[in-house]
Amino acid sequence: DSGVTQTPKHLITATGQRVTLRCSPRSGDLSVYWYQQSLDQGLQFLIQYYNGEERAKGNILERFSAQQFPDLHSELNLSSLELGDSALYFCASSVGGSSGELFFGEGSRLTVL
Amino acid sequence: GQNIDQPTEMTATEGAIVQINCTYQTSGFNGLFWYQQHAGEAPTFLSYNVLDGLEEKGRFSSFLSRSKGYSYLLLKELQMKDSASYLCAVGDDKLIFGTGTRLQVFP
Repeated sequence: DSGVTQTPKHLITATGQRVTLRCSPRSGDLSVYWYQQSLDQGLQFLIQYYNGEERAKGNILERFSAQQFPDLHSELNLSSLELGDSALYFCASSVGGSSGELFFGEGSRLTVL
Repeated sequence: GQNIDQPTEMTATEGAIVQINCTYQTSGFNGLFWYQQHAGEAPTFLSYNVLDGLEEKGRFSSFLSRSKGYSYLLLKELQMKDSASYLCAVGDDKLIFGTGTRLQVFP
C-alpha cells in the first residue's frame, strides 16, 4: 500500500459526459501528479501540483483540468469524453516539488462507451 | 524535446540475469529512475541514479552514464514474480516515463 488513495477504482460512462477523479496523497506529501496510461502505452504525464499551485504541465488536453485543494487532495476533471479517453489514470505523490521518487495510487480505470 | 527509448519486450529464464537498457535525450536532468509495474497495477519505485556509476540494491542494480544518456537495470537470480514491465523515467522539471520493457520470465 503506497498510501495514495484514488477514487473511483472503476468508472464506465458515455461519450460527451464529464467525470471527476479524486486523489488523496500520502500524508506529508505536497506534490500530486496525474498520469494517463492507455492500453499498451507508457505513462503519459498530464500535470503536477505542488502545495496547491500548478508546477508542471504535460500534454494535457484542454478538455481536462485539475486542481489541488488546501487539504492537498487533488481532482482531475475530464469533460466531453471521447472513446480515446478510455485509460487508466494514475495519481502519484511526492514530498518535494522536484521530480523524485513517486508513490502511485492504484489508478482509476475509465471506460468510455 | 524529450525522448526515452527502451526495448519493448524481453524474455529470460528463471535464475538467469537480464539487463534492460534505456537511452534518453532530455533538455534537463535531475535523475534517472526505474519503476516496476505488474499488469493492471500501480508502478513501484525500484532505483534512482543521479551520478554516474552503479547503484546496487539486492538483486537489482542500476547503472547511469550521463555523458552517453544511457542507463541499464540489471536483474539477477530472476524469479517468476519478476515478470512485469520495467519503466525507465527521467527527472526534469517533471518525471517523464519511457514506454516500458515487458519482461517475461520462464521456468
